[in-house]
Amino acid sequence: DAKTTQPTSMDCAEGRAANLPCNHSTISGNEYVYWYRQIHSQGPQYIIHGLKNNETNEMASLIITEDRKSSTLILPHATLRDTAVYYCTRGYGQNFVFGPGTRLSVLP
Amino acid sequence: EAGVVQSPRYKIIEKKQPVAFWCNPISGHNTLYWYRQNLGQGPELLIRYENEEAVDDSQLPKDRFSAERLKGVDSTLKIQPAELGDSAVYLCASSLEAHGRRDEQYFGPGTRLTVT
Repeated sequence: DAKTTQPTSMDCAEGRAANLPCNHSTISGNEYVYWYRQIHSQGPQYIIHGLKNNETNEMASLIITEDRKSSTLILPHATLRDTAVYYCTRGYGQNFVFGPGTRLSVLP
Repeated sequence: EAGVVQSPRYKIIEKKQPVAFWCNPISGHNTLYWYRQNLGQGPELLIRYENEEAVDDSQLPKDRFSAERLKGVDSTLKIQPAELGDSAVYLCASSLEAHGRRDEQYFGPGTRLTVT
């Protein structure tokens, strides 16, 4: 039970924004939403996390709906190097469960 | 700052043979994780350590898998004997737990195990 659902795959044109959705409709009030990505043959890399408010860092922005049942990871200007599997996961003080993620392909 | 270090990066063994993986977490990180990742799937937690204590090993196949984290720093994961189905990437991660909330995890590059 991954506790989050994501599309299996998405394409995005280079230079355009990539918007990756995640559904976490059963999220508890104190659970954070975390995003990781995994580039081929590497370990997963932390991207961003949030609780209620939208968050932004040098890699991405995280938009969480007001009811917290879903969120969207935004890569504002996707590059070829952003091609990876993106994992959305949730948790607080307990282990996170990783589903199969979304395979994002950035196309030239 | 050095990241999570794992060795070896690749290992090929015959079934029924033993194998061991080593992990050195980021300095100061008190929580260490071992994951297994099968092709096309997300990482699956095997065991989690807080300092030297294994606090969650519910997903570790204890008949053949064992792990240790002596002195609460580096860790070793062992499989004996290995089976064909153990072929996977074994990932180590570490994080800093503070105030009951576990911070983001930092992963090593993994060890790709092939059992023939």
